[in-house]
Amino acid sequence: GENVEQHPSTLSVQEGDSAVIKCTYSDSASNYFPWYKQELGKRPQLIIDIRSNVGEKKDQRIAVTLNKTAKHFSLHITETQPEDSAVYFCAARDVNTDKLIFGTGTRLQVFP
Amino acid sequence: NAGVTQTPKFQVLKTGQSMTLQCAQDMNHNSMYWYRQDPGMGLRLIYYSASEGTTDKGEVPNGYNVSRLNKREFSLRLESAAPSQTSVYFCASSRLAHDSNQPQHFGDGTRLSIL
Repeated sequence: GENVEQHPSTLSVQEGDSAVIKCTYSDSASNYFPWYKQELGKRPQLIIDIRSNVGEKKDQRIAVTLNKTAKHFSLHITETQPEDSAVYFCAARDVNTDKLIFGTGTRLQVFP
Repeated sequence: NAGVTQTPKFQVLKTGQSMTLQCAQDMNHNSMYWYRQDPGMGLRLIYYSASEGTTDKGEVPNGYNVSRLNKREFSLRLESAAPSQTSVYFCASSRLAHDSNQPQHFGDGTRLSIL
C-alpha cells in the first residue's frame, strides 16, 4: 500500500520569508495529492490539492509542485504571515483502496 | 449547511467503559471516514465507509466498531475503552466518484481521554 513521508517535522521562519514542506510517496499509481492546514485545536482544512496530470498549481501565496518521476510533491508558501502558523499535512490517494494516506505533519511557526 | 458534525466534543471515560462517537454530514456525500490523531503520528484511518451499507477497516481498527446508519450518519464505538485510545477523533466525508479524487471534509473532532 501507499506510504507517505513528510519533512521537516518543524519549520520556523521569519515573517515575509518563504516556507517549503516536502513529501514523498511510494506508490507510483497514486494520482491525487491534497494539503491540509490544521490550526491549534481546530479541524484539518483543505488548502490546495493537485492531480497527477499537472505539475504545479498555485493559489495566491500557496503553490504545490508534483514530480511524478521522483514521487515527491511540495508545498510552497511565499510571503509568510503569522496566521500561516499551523500544522500542515500532505496526503496521497491510494488508488487500490481509494483511501487518503497522510504524512505525519509539519508544524510551521512564523515569527513576526 | 453545517458540513460534518461530531458529538460529543469532549469526553472522559474510565478504562473498560463503552461509548459511541456520533458523526453526521449534510453534504450528500457517499463516503465517510473515522481517523484518530495522536502527537507526531498524523491522521490514521480507523474505519471507513465507501457507501451506505458498507464498512471497511483502515490502518488501526483494533478496539473499534463502526455503523453506517444511513447515508448521513457514521458512528464509531469503543466497546471497552483502554488508555491507549486516548486521542482526538476526527470524522470526515467525501463525495466518492470513481477517479474523481474528491477532497475530504473534516468535523471539529472529539477529544477523548481514558483514565
